[in-house]
Amino acid sequence: DGGITQSPKYLFRKEGQNVTLSCEQNLNHDAMYWYRQDPGQGLRLIYYSQIVNDFQKGDIAEGYSVSREKKESFPLTVTSAQKNPTAFYLCASSILHRTEAFFGQGTRLTVV
Amino acid sequence: QKEVEQNSGPLSVPEGAIASLNCTYSDRGSQSFFWYRQYSGKSPELIMSIYSNGDKEDGRFTAQLNKASQYVSLLIRDSQPSDSATYLCAVNFSGGGNKLTFGTGTQLKVEL
Repeated sequence: DGGITQSPKYLFRKEGQNVTLSCEQNLNHDAMYWYRQDPGQGLRLIYYSQIVNDFQKGDIAEGYSVSREKKESFPLTVTSAQKNPTAFYLCASSILHRTEAFFGQGTRLTVV
Repeated sequence: QKEVEQNSGPLSVPEGAIASLNCTYSDRGSQSFFWYRQYSGKSPELIMSIYSNGDKEDGRFTAQLNKASQYVSLLIRDSQPSDSATYLCAVNFSGGGNKLTFGTGTQLKVEL
């Protein structure tokens, strides 16, 4: 089945730890995105990438890092510099030059 | 600051009624508009896209776009309890590449 797979579904992070969220897609989409959603709020863009080995900061990139070494993969690292990382993280992808984005199942990150 | 505004609700409608969800956006040059449905604890699911002024119908859903008024709406006919969810409006602002900006969503409750 074609789709976007995020793992893990739930993730717990201790204070001061870096954690990496996985996002893989087999839709042959060029563009990939990471969004963050807090309770009762909309989605805010963290980073996005339109081609391999290139990515741009979104509206709330501080404390996060990404890589795009393969077209299918766009992992997000939440670093210790992110002071309030507890949130629902959503990965999405789209065909280049098309703005319809499709989402993975999400990863719920909690700081313990 | 380019913004997408939605009433957070909850919007309560009886089963079988028409639910009307509204969204305004700040950039008159925007070209692409989307409605996503998000069930509690789940990721957003694309249900409608609209690109030109007027109405677009898909089953029980109708999207309406008025670019002059910077207004997009979603009508759900014959509302069902399974339609109870949060509906997110997303806009691709001009000059924003493929990026989508989301509203905070409107919670819809369809009551028996």
